[in-house]
Amino acid sequence: DIVMTQTPLSSPVTLGQPASISCRSSQSLVHSDGNTYLSWLHQRPGQPPRLLLYKISNRFSGVPDRFSGSGAGTDFTLEISRVEPEDVGVYYCMQATQLITFGQGTKLEIK
Amino acid sequence: EVRLVESGGGLVQPGGSLRLSCATSGFMFSPYPMSWVRQAPGKGLEWVATINPEGGKIYYVDSVKGRFTVSRDNTKNTLFLQMNSLRAEDTAVFYCARGQWGAFDSWGQGTLVTVSS
Repeated sequence: DIVMTQTPLSSPVTLGQPASISCRSSQSLVHSDGNTYLSWLHQRPGQPPRLLLYKISNRFSGVPDRFSGSGAGTDFTLEISRVEPEDVGVYYCMQATQLITFGQGTKLEIK
Repeated sequence: EVRLVESGGGLVQPGGSLRLSCATSGFMFSPYPMSWVRQAPGKGLEWVATINPEGGKIYYVDSVKGRFTVSRDNTKNTLFLQMNSLRAEDTAVFYCARGQWGAFDSWGQGTLVTVSS
């Protein structure tokens, strides 16, 4: 099974400042079809998760461009260029290259 | 508007059964792989099962194999999860999710399953 490890698990940030979350997989996420099925989701308290980015860096419909994704192979990063109040919550990375596994989640909170 | 609405959750005793449903609307259901994802209280997300569009390929997390069965009715745009031999550790909010681009692009609001005596 592919294990997804996120760091940090908690991230206090200042409004208007950047934030970054890392996600590392226990093996390469490059699929035999050439795609890398790494996505990022955001979950606010009491809400279902919502998709932010898919295949590393593709923003889902309606996602602000302050969210960006990068990485390759086993190391990936979600970056928020300027944190807004609505960005609080828990962020998860997810791989779908070999079955599906999620990272533990990173809680983003405002300082 | 894409909508996924789960139902069928509730309180059940250990060893009991429940059948969850996920009624969908606002999109053509049949071409999409569909999945169940659960979240235990205060915990992270855990993938449970996925069924391909035709229903011929099905995958489960190891912890539910032999106990849970995912199915779909493409004529009724509905996804199902039959859960047998339920355990306390199955207590969670169960979400249905639509698959696209190797990600889950739409989610329901979830239905709570509580396994307790």
